[in-house]
Amino acid sequence: QSALTQPPSVSGSPGQSVTISCTGTSSDVGGYDRVSWYQQPPGTAPKLLIYYVSNRPSGVPDRFSGSKSGNTASLTISGLQAEDEADYYCISYTRSSTFVYVFGTGTKVTVL
Amino acid sequence: LQLQESGPGLVKPSETLSLICSVSGGSISTTNSYWGWIRQPPGKGLEWIGNIYYTGSTDYNPSLKGRVTISGDTSKNQFSLKLTSVTAADTAIYYCARPRDYCFDDWGQGTLVTVSS
Repeated sequence: QSALTQPPSVSGSPGQSVTISCTGTSSDVGGYDRVSWYQQPPGTAPKLLIYYVSNRPSGVPDRFSGSKSGNTASLTISGLQAEDEADYYCISYTRSSTFVYVFGTGTKVTVL
Repeated sequence: LQLQESGPGLVKPSETLSLICSVSGGSISTTNSYWGWIRQPPGKGLEWIGNIYYTGSTDYNPSLKGRVTISGDTSKNQFSLKLTSVTAADTAIYYCARPRDYCFDDWGQGTLVTVSS
């Protein structure tokens, strides 16, 4: 089972929007609406941002939004802020063989 | 819900890594609940290790299968991870987390385990 593919890095200026892609296969991202996104600032544990492709837990700003098309899921950060600088990971449920979850490779977001 | 990892921070090569996740504010016996382990080598990405269901059934990452065991202790409200025959490649921050609605909505702070002689 291969990891989900994310760009290693994206960057943007404060106030701009950035989008992170997460590409898998029909056995994971494309097969289920069970993609979640996590933010991990340096030295901290990951924090859930998005679940079921586009749902935000309470407390997560609406600047963070998720979507999916085919085998690719996306996380968009609108109105980029300095505190958004962190690593971001996608995770997809899968039932390929005995695998249950497959993780993305991670993307570093830099606020210029 | 709070999760807290504990265990040795240094393990010798070929030995067994053992960690415990203590759960507060919730019960590992709650019907339909899952509990899991995830790791992150220093400077690298996250890797799912495995999950345990409230019934005690488990799922493991096939790349670790044969070396990993996750078990629960309902009397202490804890679940544990054992990874045998460790090598330097098992050096990582180990997180316990709660999978719910096909995502991981609560995480422990993580504990660094270094494999070295």
